[in-house]
Amino acid sequence: GAVVSQHPSWVICKSGTSVKIECRSLDFQATTMFWYRQFPKQSLMLMATSNEGSKATYEQGVEKDKFLINHASLTLSTLTVTSAHPEDSSFYICSARVGAGEQYFGPGTRLTVT
Amino acid sequence: GENVEQHPSTLSVQEGDSAVIKCTYSDSASNYFPWYKQELGKRPQLIIDIRSNVGEKKDQRIAVTLNKTAKHFSLHITETQPEDSAVYFCAGGDTGRRALTFGSGTRLQVQP
Repeated sequence: GAVVSQHPSWVICKSGTSVKIECRSLDFQATTMFWYRQFPKQSLMLMATSNEGSKATYEQGVEKDKFLINHASLTLSTLTVTSAHPEDSSFYICSARVGAGEQYFGPGTRLTVT
Repeated sequence: GENVEQHPSTLSVQEGDSAVIKCTYSDSASNYFPWYKQELGKRPQLIIDIRSNVGEKKDQRIAVTLNKTAKHFSLHITETQPEDSAVYFCAGGDTGRRALTFGSGTRLQVQP
């Protein structure tokens, strides 16, 4: 149990375009999902908390108009990187909370902006 | 907010030896402390966790200890094997809606 999927696993896009990343909880319902980004050889940095049916809560320094998060159902959250630039290239990972605190991670999406 | 510090950043041990990774946290409201293992290019995998109502938890070769007074917790891996080589992250948070705060990671290398 507690399987989280993420799609796509790898994407290359041109500067100025938008990219949508999906995060799904496959065998449980997640009222709260989290989006992280991870640069090479660095730790996971929380970008935002995605709450089903309400607006996401963004961490300080994360542009909410650039990183659009939608949590339309209890099993799906999406992150859209709008007007992507090369500096947005990173590993984006979602996680879903299970029970009393446990978080399980999706496989991650490697975004490369050219 | 929570601040989690992790040491060392790199750790090299011989196969069969023990490895210890230490973390400290700042927020006394945190009550949940998981440890994740991340292999290159892959997702973090939860390997063990501990809650603030216990001081120690063990799962085969892996154990975690928690000292609430000092606000630090540690991961202990005994009888290390080459497949234990990975980056390990500690994290702290609560069991409510708050997200986890991750440490900076420890790159463990087990020499055969």
